[in-house]
Amino acid sequence: EVQLLESGGGLVQPGGSLRLSCAASGFTFSSYAMSWVRQAPGKGLEWVSAISGSGGSTYYADSVKGRFTISRDNSKNTLCLQMNGLRAEDTAVYYCAKARYSGYYTYYFDYWGQGTLVTVSS
Amino acid sequence: DIVMTQTPLSLSVTPGQPASISCKSSQSLLHTDGETYLYWYLQKPGQSPQLLIYEVSNRFSGVPDRFSGSGSGTDFTLKISRVEAEDVGVYYCMQSIQLSFTFGPGTKVDIK
Repeated sequence: EVQLLESGGGLVQPGGSLRLSCAASGFTFSSYAMSWVRQAPGKGLEWVSAISGSGGSTYYADSVKGRFTISRDNSKNTLCLQMNGLRAEDTAVYYCAKARYSGYYTYYFDYWGQGTLVTVSS
Repeated sequence: DIVMTQTPLSLSVTPGQPASISCKSSQSLLHTDGETYLYWYLQKPGQSPQLLIYEVSNRFSGVPDRFSGSGSGTDFTLKISRVEAEDVGVYYCMQSIQLSFTFGPGTKVDIK
């Protein structure tokens, strides 16, 4: 059974930093791309970042490019999101999602964690 | 980025009756590789999103056959043949033809 458990959320001041983690189990972690998707309170879903199975390719939404860094440790089955320069508009539940490859170059998200809440406020 | 729109934004359905949600993309989701990269998710109240349909019309593992997806190019539809109480929640379409994945605004479905 695929399990994704996010941690690291909390309250942080504007301009501050936070590091999210996602512990994965139930599948061969290194064989799958992974992603972060967020949801502001009462709002819809916004893709944030993705990383290939090897970690060699990373992708970011324009809204977080240059501030957030996605990484993974395949030896520990762990996905991370380092968030710097946080803004009020980054307040959201952050979901870790397992990606399944689709076609030759892209993927979609087949399993999601329960999410961790990040609140950016003074 | 590709903009995804959905109609209606809310839907109230009598149990046992059908329901239909439309999703439109600002650009074609048909790739030169022949695949169309459109997906449907359901977020039940208080839960994380769950995958329903992948690549337009393929039901994900465990998804009841009352759910079906169709469409091509820029116009797509999710249909529920007979709505059940457990189908309430917000339905999102998503595109992945561009690796700046975008979701529709969501369609909230509740029971009359």
